[in-house]
Amino acid sequence: NAGVTQTPKFQVLKTGQSMTLQCAQDMNHNSMYWYRQDPGMGLRLIYYSASEGTTDKGEVPNGYNVSRLNKREFSLRLESAAPSQTSVYFCASRSRSPLHFGNGTRLTVT
Amino acid sequence: AQSVTQLGSHVSVSEGALVLLRCNYSSSVPPYLFWYVQYPNQGLQLLLKYTTGATLVKGINGFEAEFKKSETSFHLTKPSAHMSDAAEYFCAVKRWAAQKLVFGQGTRLTINP
Repeated sequence: NAGVTQTPKFQVLKTGQSMTLQCAQDMNHNSMYWYRQDPGMGLRLIYYSASEGTTDKGEVPNGYNVSRLNKREFSLRLESAAPSQTSVYFCASRSRSPLHFGNGTRLTVT
Repeated sequence: AQSVTQLGSHVSVSEGALVLLRCNYSSSVPPYLFWYVQYPNQGLQLLLKYTTGATLVKGINGFEAEFKKSETSFHLTKPSAHMSDAAEYFCAVKRWAAQKLVFGQGTRLTINP
């Protein structure tokens, strides 16, 4: 049982480049989330999707877009990467249960 | 709005000593409270949670936490630290039926031999 799978695990981008972080869950969860983790700041919510077909902004949505492709998949897109977006990104999912997390994507923007 | 404050970004204890990681929350309604653990290069795993009922909650790996409404606290404890407990620990809060979980800043626990 894979749980929450994130790809890629590592990525280096140049300022201005775009990329999409992929997330898939196989637990039939309704809700999916994208967080970023930065030292001393804990995890901050970027976007979430309460159910298939809906998305909502979290605390720090600027510079990001999301797509809830189907019930399993929730992608995060950086249209024009900036050094301030250097971070570790975590996808998570839940239904009635607590959050289940993926292992993260470590993104560096130079 | 809800928020979580973890006191101490870094805690260091000796192997076999008591572990105490502090968490205070603010919430205008009765909260659901969580502790998560993160090992290096991994995602977060649930240690324990408080929703309703008994205020002393037991979790995995010998950890427990007590919900104290009068102190707005949910401190995490373990009687005897083990080397494998070295990790980062996050306290989190949400309202009943809310979608969003709010995390504290995290506390890195180091265990000295």
